[in-house]
Parts: sequence; C-alpha cells; structure tokens
Amino acid sequence: KNEVEQSPQNLTAQEGEFITINCSYSVGISALHWLQQHPGGGIVSLFMLSSGKKKHGRLIATINIQEKHSSLHITASHPRDSAVYICAVRPNSGGSNYKLTFGKGTLLTVNP
Amino acid sequence: DAGVIQSPRHEVTEMGQEVTLRCKPISGHDYLFWYRQTMMRGLELLIYFNNNVPIDDSGMPEDRFSAKMPNASFSTLKIQPSEPRDSAVYFCASSLNGLHHIQYFGAGTRLSVL
Repeated sequence: KNEVEQSPQNLTAQEGEFITINCSYSVGISALHWLQQHPGGGIVSLFMLSSGKKKHGRLIATINIQEKHSSLHITASHPRDSAVYICAVRPNSGGSNYKLTFGKGTLLTVNP
Repeated sequence: DAGVIQSPRHEVTEMGQEVTLRCKPISGHDYLFWYRQTMMRGLELLIYFNNNVPIDDSGMPEDRFSAKMPNASFSTLKIQPSEPRDSAVYFCASSLNGLHHIQYFGAGTRLSVL
C-alpha cells in the first residue's frame, strides 16, 4: 500500500463546477505539498501545508493532521485548470531529512 | 529571475552511453532537489543538496547514478552507463529553505535511452 493515496485517479468536470481532490497518507508528517503538472509537463507548487487551510485565488487546500487527510478544492473550475494534481508528504522522521513521498496524481479534465 | 533552468530539454541516447543532465537553481536558493518521473512509479526524489552539500542520496537507484553541485549555481546528474529503464523525465527543483518553503521546478529533461 502506498504511503500517499489520492482520489479520484481521474476526474472530469464541466466548466464552473466545484472540484475536490483528496489525499490520504499513512505516516506522521511535518508538511504536505500540492503540486500541479500541466499537459506540457511543467510542475508548479501550489501549496505547502502543515495545518489548517490555505487559499490562493480559486484554489483552497485544507489539511486534517489527526485524520491524515488533505483536500484540494477548485472553485468555479475552468478548462485551464485541466492538469494532474499531485499530493506529496514530508514524513515526520525527525532531523533535517527532506525526502518527499508522492501520490500518483489525479488527472483533472475540465470541459467547456 | 528566469526560474530553475534545466538542460537539455530532451536527450536521446543509446544504451551504454554516458548522460549528463544540468540544472541551474534560482539565485539565492540554498536547497536543490533532483527528481525522476515515470509512468510506473510517479515522482521520486533522487537526491537533494543543501548549500552545495549532498544531504540525502538514498533515492539514487544505483551506482550508475551520480550527482554533483560544484557551486551554488550549478548541479549535474550523471548516468553512466545508461540503460533503457533509465528513460524518464528528470526534474530539478530549488527552494529558499527546503523545510519551510515551496519548491520551484525546472521544465524537466525527457531522457530516452534506446
């Protein structure tokens, strides 16, 4: 079983819909990242969370440390949001180790 | 700043050849990461540096892989000899502080080993 599980694997939505992508992990963590990978392959870091919630434009990321779960929400989705969204965690192994563990990603397609 | 710059963008080589991938991090960033992405395994951290010093190379697949960071503005990932299973996209990323800041990714190098 992967340490980081994302759901759904694939998601198709109509423009304007509210999108939720979920990430569950099985280890104690000190931080969780959400990344966006566009069809051209480039990767952009969206958020880094250790608690609570962060918002940037139409994107909202939340994390529940006790439940080992994070969600990425997209409000008023648009075709340009079509991308692979990747969750990554930094296990709380102590010290200065910064080895991230990645989920397999969620492929989001937003149709006009 | 131009962001993280990787070269080449694409590399096609034959099995057994030496391959060198290059990365220029964002100026002032003191952490540099090398990742590999494949369809089967997704994104994996290979190695990361702090202030030019390798901190964790446990993700490096085997001795055929090596990485160096001779100065704050340049890093290389070398594969010698290359094998078809090394075919992947290799990303370099940098951050101002690896523990508390987001990472900025380069555009990646798509490597095909025939």
